[in-house]
Amino acid sequence: NAGVTQTPKFRILKIGQSMTLQCAQDMNHNYMYWYRQDPGMGLKLIYYSVGAGITDKGEVPNGYNVSRSTTEDFPLRLELAAPSQTSVYFCASSSVDRGGTEAFFGQGTRLTVV
Amino acid sequence: DAKTTQPPSMDCAEGRAANLPCNHSTISGNEYVYWYRQIHSQGPQYIIHGLKNNETNEMASLIITEDRKSSTLILPHATLRDTAVYYCIVRVANAGNNRKLIWGLGTSLAVNP
Repeated sequence: NAGVTQTPKFRILKIGQSMTLQCAQDMNHNYMYWYRQDPGMGLKLIYYSVGAGITDKGEVPNGYNVSRSTTEDFPLRLELAAPSQTSVYFCASSSVDRGGTEAFFGQGTRLTVV
Repeated sequence: DAKTTQPPSMDCAEGRAANLPCNHSTISGNEYVYWYRQIHSQGPQYIIHGLKNNETNEMASLIITEDRKSSTLILPHATLRDTAVYYCIVRVANAGNNRKLIWGLGTSLAVNP
């Protein structure tokens, strides 16, 4: 059982480039989340999804886009990367059957924009 | 959601109990207390949660005061692998589908040999 899988683990982008961070879960969870974590800080919610076809903005959505075409996948798209998007990105999922807040996290994607 | 306050750092000797406090004086009656931890550079890991009764699982115990304004996470026999940042989060489980976790800075626990 893989849980939540994020790819890639590391990436360096140049300013203005775009990329997609992949996230997949195999637990059939309804809810999925994208967070970013800046050095020495707590996690901040970027986007979340309550099911396939349904997404909504979190605390810091600017500069990002998401889609949820299947229950398993929740990719995060960065358009026109900026140095302020240098961070560690975590994807998480949770099940409505367990109150929706016992979240399972991936191992993160460390992104540097230069 | 209610705000939580945690000490920024704590130390604990290996093999001893680690008691991590959390204040949540504005907690509402339907808000749960959740604890997660984050070992360096890894994704956060769920530990335990509770509403008003004390809870115990294989990882830890959660003691919630009677007025629910504070709680303590107890790691009964801390090991070096318990060195991590511990997050206390207060969250209501909405009747709808809007469920989010709001993260503070947590407590950095150092378990020393």
